[in-house]
Amino acid sequence: QVQLVQSGAEVKESGASVKVSCKASGYTFTRNYIHWVRQAPGQGLEWMGVVNPTGGSTSYAQRFQGRITMTRETSTSTVYMELSSLRSEDTAIYYCARETEPERWFDPWGQGTLVTVSS
Amino acid sequence: DIQMTQSPSSLSASVGDRVTITCRASQGIRNDLGWYQQKPGKAPKRLIYAASSLQSGVPSRFSGSGSGTEFTLTIGSLQPEDFATYYCLQYSSYPYTFGQGTKLEI
Repeated sequence: QVQLVQSGAEVKESGASVKVSCKASGYTFTRNYIHWVRQAPGQGLEWMGVVNPTGGSTSYAQRFQGRITMTRETSTSTVYMELSSLRSEDTAIYYCARETEPERWFDPWGQGTLVTVSS
Repeated sequence: DIQMTQSPSSLSASVGDRVTITCRASQGIRNDLGWYQQKPGKAPKRLIYAASSLQSGVPSRFSGSGSGTEFTLTIGSLQPEDFATYYCLQYSSYPYTFGQGTKLEI
């Protein structure tokens, strides 16, 4: 079955960087865009950006520009999201999600990765 | 960027009630809107795409409508398993944007 499996929880100090992975299986990796969405404790969903696994092109939310990088590794069907200059407000669960065609909704989602930023 | 204004932010209802959640887009997005349900500790789950198309397996008491800037999610007769948080998501253009969420409580 189609699934996305993310890397484990991380604890980082303020100012550090974190890199979260999302490994896809059960479908042709290059056929669907992968998005990243985060959710701070008790808060709503926030779209962060998207990567096209075919060519690696990306689009990021403006608020993360300059400190976010999304990459992919086609040989392992894995997408990465790296966020730098971490601050306490970046403490959140980070999800990857596949955008389906033609419905264009997010399915499946990864299980989520908790990133905790300590000061 | 397209802003999505979702209302209400919370809603108290009873089993059997009919409820409606609204999302308003800051500019026209055709019908490029989806609805998601999230339960505590879980990833969101898809319900509706293209504003009104129900995902296979989603109960028919869920329905969506709207186009342009105004969208609604209606749950026809609330069941115990429907108490959750609901989000709209516009995918008309980047950056995609979620509504703020509606927490549906008993």
